Amino acid sequence: EVQLVESGGGLVQPGGSLRLSCAASGFTFSSHWMSWVRQPPGKGPEWVASIKQDGSEKYYVDSVKGRFTVSRDNAKNSLGLQMNSLRAEDTAVYYCARGSAAIKRPPDPWGQGTLVTVSS
Amino acid sequence: EIVLTQSPGTLSLSPGERLTLSCRASQSVISSYLAWYQQKPGQAPRLLIYGVSSRATGIPDRFSGSGSGTDFTLTISRLEPEDFAVYYCQQYGSSPITFGQGTRLEIK
Repeated sequence: EVQLVESGGGLVQPGGSLRLSCAASGFTFSSHWMSWVRQPPGKGPEWVASIKQDGSEKYYVDSVKGRFTVSRDNAKNSLGLQMNSLRAEDTAVYYCARGSAAIKRPPDPWGQGTLVTVSS
Repeated sequence: EIVLTQSPGTLSLSPGERLTLSCRASQSVISSYLAWYQQKPGQAPRLLIYGVSSRATGIPDRFSGSGSGTDFTLTISRLEPEDFAVYYCQQYGSSPITFGQGTRLEIK
């Protein structure tokens, strides 16, 4: 069974930093793109970032470019998201999601999410 | 960026009825990379449909997707009580991946 378990969320002040982690199991982690998707309270999901199987390509939504960094450790089946210069509008539940392998597929499944609250 | 517009915003139906949801894209969706997700309160979105019309693993055949270009539809042939949720369309062919704003399905 595919499992994705996020951790690292919490309350942080504007301008602060936070690092999210996602532990993956039940599939060949190194064969898949991986993504972060966030969902502000009461709103729809927003794609945040994706990383290629070997980490050689990374893509970000414009609103987080230069502030967030996605990373992965295939030896540890782990996905990371370093978030710096956090803003109130970054408040959301952050989900990690499995991406495509050989054939292009949408992010699936998603983890249970971790809540990030940016507030003073 | 491809903007996805879903309609209606909220829908009230009864179990057993047929549901049709619309998703319109601001430009053509590349290679039919259009998906639908279902989200229940307190849960992560669950993939229902990908590639416009392919059901994800474990999704009942009462769920179907159709469309092309810029106009897409999710249909639930006969609503079950567990189908009352929020539904999102998503395009994953162009970067950035984008989602519609969602349609909330309520029990009438």
